[in-house]
Amino acid sequence: AQRVTQPEKLLSVFKGAPVELKCNYSYSGSPELFWYVQYSRQRLQLLLRHISRESIKGFTADLNKGETSFHLKKPFAQEEDSAMYYCALSVMWGAQKLVFGQGTRLTINP
Amino acid sequence: NAGVTQTPKFQVLKTGQSMTLQCAQDMNHEYMSWYRQDPGMGLRLIHYSVGAGITDQGEVPNGYNVSRSTTEDFPLRLLSAAPSQTSVYFCASSGRPGQSYGYTFGSGTRLTVV
Repeated sequence: AQRVTQPEKLLSVFKGAPVELKCNYSYSGSPELFWYVQYSRQRLQLLLRHISRESIKGFTADLNKGETSFHLKKPFAQEEDSAMYYCALSVMWGAQKLVFGQGTRLTINP
Repeated sequence: NAGVTQTPKFQVLKTGQSMTLQCAQDMNHEYMSWYRQDPGMGLRLIHYSVGAGITDQGEVPNGYNVSRSTTEDFPLRLLSAAPSQTSVYFCASSGRPGQSYGYTFGSGTRLTVV
């Protein structure tokens, strides 16, 4: 069965420090993975998708099929990065059906 | 371009009442979904649709109905509300690969069942 695991419910780092939000997945097919961000009481926004290998707001994520991971990284955290982050796995071609992890609440301390 | 619009934003229901959460998108997206968001559980898929007239169940469909008579609208019906359905509900839409990729979410409906 498909599953996404974000082992950290809460993560707190200081401004300027590196950030890594962990995401592991379980899926027998070829995975399509995404990171979504939700700022306080706002809607979810797409942050990254692995197929585009882009960098948004300084965040990057690399798909590691050997470790079945898609960790989100940023070298220098900023206070505006404080938010809820969700890793998601597409289980149908074309992202019609997403399985989400439990989410990690990231807090950046000044 | 409004994106994905959900109404209402807040709703309080009594146990046993029924209601419909509305969702509309103006991006001509084929794919639409409903998720519920609960603390510590992330988002769980309730129902989804890959086009007008086509719907299917997600992970937690019990107690909910959907229909997709038009491309734009994807309402979610609660048949007989229960306290376990207290949650934040998000509607989302997505285009085909090569168009807008990855879901666009609505702003959510915060539902409380008492």
